[in-house]
Amino acid sequence: DVKVTQSSRYLVKRTGEKVFLECVQDMDHENMFWYRQDPGLGLRLIYFSYDVKMKEKGDIPEGYSVSREKKERFSLILESASTNQTSMYLCASSRTSGSRDGELFFGEGSRLTVL
Amino acid sequence: AQSVAQPEDQVNVAEGNPLTVKCTYSVSGNPYLFWYVQYPNRGLQFLLKYITGDNLVKGSYGFEAEFNKSQTSFHLKKPSALVSDSALYFCAVRDWGRDDKIIFGKGTRLHILP
Repeated sequence: DVKVTQSSRYLVKRTGEKVFLECVQDMDHENMFWYRQDPGLGLRLIYFSYDVKMKEKGDIPEGYSVSREKKERFSLILESASTNQTSMYLCASSRTSGSRDGELFFGEGSRLTVL
Repeated sequence: AQSVAQPEDQVNVAEGNPLTVKCTYSVSGNPYLFWYVQYPNRGLQFLLKYITGDNLVKGSYGFEAEFNKSQTSFHLKKPSALVSDSALYFCAVRDWGRDDKIIFGKGTRLHILP
């Protein structure tokens, strides 16, 4: 069974802390994505990666960075967490864009609360 | 720019009745359209997609969607709703102009009333 695994389902952090959200996929997918989900706003793309050591900014990259040292792992980093980063974070992966069909496989989500 | 709109924040349907969740899209090229479902405290799950071919697309859990090019719509449907269909539904479109990323609508919460 194919899987995208997010390391933490629930996190509570304090303002100013550095936060790491880890995502691992076992489908040998080239593409990986980080979204945040907020009520009434749907899913917004933070960063994505089409290859190892490659990263591209999405729609809302401010306050975030990412790391992709291995094909299966895509990490989202909040350098200094702020209360407005309290949200549900969703990781997703897909096959190469050359396939053009675009089905995304999502992890279960990481609900982050910043106090 | 490509976009997708879900005009209803919430849809209520009695169990056993047919359901429709609406989606309209705007794309500059051929539309690749998707529906995803999210159950409480879970990630999104793929339901179905339209790439080309028949306008009626069948997907998981008895859902289907009708692609209508003239109305630029891709409504999700099911002939007979189940209480377990209660969830958050997202329509999405591939954005050809932006690295082929998937653009999501804001979601429609579906309540199936027993």
